[in-house]
Amino acid sequence: NAGVTQTPKFRILKIGQSMTLQCAQDMNHNYMYWYRQDPGMGLKLIYYSVGAGITDKGEVPNGYNVSRSTTEDFPLRLELAAPSQTSVYFCASRQGARTEAFFGQGTRLTVV
Amino acid sequence: QQQVKQSPQSLIVQKGGISIINCAYENTAFDYFPWYQQFPGKGPALLIAIRPDVSEKKEGRFTISFNKSAKQFSLHIMDSQPGDSATYFCAASRGASGTYKYIFGTGTRLKVLA
Repeated sequence: NAGVTQTPKFRILKIGQSMTLQCAQDMNHNYMYWYRQDPGMGLKLIYYSVGAGITDKGEVPNGYNVSRSTTEDFPLRLELAAPSQTSVYFCASRQGARTEAFFGQGTRLTVV
Repeated sequence: QQQVKQSPQSLIVQKGGISIINCAYENTAFDYFPWYQQFPGKGPALLIAIRPDVSEKKEGRFTISFNKSAKQFSLHIMDSQPGDSATYFCAASRGASGTYKYIFGTGTRLKVLA
């Protein structure tokens, strides 16, 4: 069981560069989420999706973009990376309301 | 209105003791309250969850107490073990509106001393 797979695990970006964080799930879940985790700050929701072709902003969407062309994949795009985007990024998915969310292993991103 | 406030930020407990972590929410539309456990370098994993129509749920050494009128819920870890040392997050979710967003607390770093 692969569950939720995130790539890459680690990345160092220079200020102004762009990159895409990949997230794939094999559980046929409709709902997918991107969170960032800063030390001592918990998990902040960046974007979420309730199905293919449907995405919406979370608490901290500025500087990020997402797309959901298939049920399985939910990539997160960083345009013009800034030091404030240094964080650990987690992708999660779940089947529906009142159900468990499954998390990936995370991507540790450093912007220098 | 969307916040979930969690306390304490950190907690040190002796082996065999009881660990208690508290959360409070504001939005009465929340209808699912999970607790997640996270070990260093790993993603959070579901520990136990409760719905607002019950006041308590117990799974092994872990118990959620839920107070709907006070808009508070807590995690109790009985007979705490060094292996329980991790960061714990409470969360709340609102499913009725169709958004199914999870809102997380800020986390509690638990250390259980051997």
